[in-house]
Amino acid sequence: AQSVAQPEDQVNVAEGNPLTVKCTYSVSGNPYLFWYVQYPNRGLQFLLKYITGDNLVKGSYGFEAEFNKSQTSFHLKKPSALVSDSALYFCAVRDLRDSNYQLIWGAGTKLIIKP
Amino acid sequence: DTAVSQTPKYLVTQMGNDKSIKCEQNLGHDTMYWYKQDSKKFLKIMFSYNNKELIINETVPNRFSPKSPDKAHLNLHINSLELGDSAVYFCATRSGGYEQYFGPGTRLTVT
Repeated sequence: AQSVAQPEDQVNVAEGNPLTVKCTYSVSGNPYLFWYVQYPNRGLQFLLKYITGDNLVKGSYGFEAEFNKSQTSFHLKKPSALVSDSALYFCAVRDLRDSNYQLIWGAGTKLIIKP
Repeated sequence: DTAVSQTPKYLVTQMGNDKSIKCEQNLGHDTMYWYKQDSKKFLKIMFSYNNKELIINETVPNRFSPKSPDKAHLNLHINSLELGDSAVYFCATRSGGYEQYFGPGTRLTVT
């Protein structure tokens, strides 16, 4: 079965430190992988994606993610965290069974950046 | 201009009522979705729709029905509202690059 796992419900990081939000996936074919961010009382915003090509992808707000096929992971990273990065982060993978390109979503990871 | 908009932002209603949530997009995307986000922030796809195909998540009660008057709109109609329908509902569209664009959400409270 296709699935996405975000093993941490919450990640706490001090401002200025590097951050990592973890995501692992399980799909039978080539994955299309995505990260989204949700600020309080807002809709989700697209951050970055991996479809093909370079394993390291760069996205909005200084975030990047590394696709690791052998570990089936797509961890989100940022070299230096800002308090404004505090939000809920979702990893998603395209559902290969669906012709409308539905996404299978992780449960979300709450990122808290402390000043 | 807001790319994906939803109305209303808040909706409070009583059990048994019928309500609709409207979604409009000005991105020209062909595919639109409705999601339900519960109190634990878990996202559940309810429907996906393009001008050719409606795909319904099999776990969605048939009290929920999407209606698309034109390519820019995908409204969500809910009959006989129940307490468990209380949630935030998001409309989204999909670009040709596969990423999705979300509306601001509609917080539905059923009393």
